[in-house]
Amino acid sequence: RKEVEQDPGPFNVPEGATVAFNCTYSNSASQSFFWYRQDCRKEPKLLMSVYSSGNEDGRFTAQLNRASQYISLLIRDSKLSDSATYLCVVNTGGSYIPTFGRGTSLIVHP
Amino acid sequence: DTAVSQTPKYLVTQMGNDKSIKCEQNLGHDTMYWYKQDSKKFLKIMFSYNNKELIINETVPNRFSPKSPDKAHLNLHINSLELGDSAVYFCASSQDPGTGGFFGPGTRLTVL
Repeated sequence: RKEVEQDPGPFNVPEGATVAFNCTYSNSASQSFFWYRQDCRKEPKLLMSVYSSGNEDGRFTAQLNRASQYISLLIRDSKLSDSATYLCVVNTGGSYIPTFGRGTSLIVHP
Repeated sequence: DTAVSQTPKYLVTQMGNDKSIKCEQNLGHDTMYWYKQDSKKFLKIMFSYNNKELIINETVPNRFSPKSPDKAHLNLHINSLELGDSAVYFCASSQDPGTGGFFGPGTRLTVL
């Protein structure tokens, strides 16, 4: 089983739709979780950290499910500008190694 | 007001050459990273330095040698370049180790 797995997609959704991505991780000792966004031929940019209690930033909601070992990202009211690849990052505290998933591609169409 | 900068942005070179990529961050962060993103877009950490000390050295050929002259700089030197080294190399920095980091714009390396 890969350390961090994501459905590569693409997720093809109309503007205004709600879309959710999951990211599963294999190491139960993982402590830190993040979502990044990467546009084509650009660098990854931190979207949000994922906290145990869940957190929201505008249209974006991130959640952590430790029992099932996955994190999720929910995007409400999708915009064309949300089209990008979304990468999850999992860190197993003691090792300091941030492990990236392969990313989920989102395409929002008019 | 660039946070993490890398030079050069593009690097095209022949097999067997030696090349360096420079990285600087002005965020005051203690940790810096080098990542490699291959043609399949898989992003993998190569090295990480915390306060100029190497803390992560993933399975990377020893042709790759990082150097951190100070906290704000982490350079990557590559000897005897091979075709398989062609990729985008990203530098990043963060205040704490292992948090992914803020990324530079990347250096697109093409080995011919």
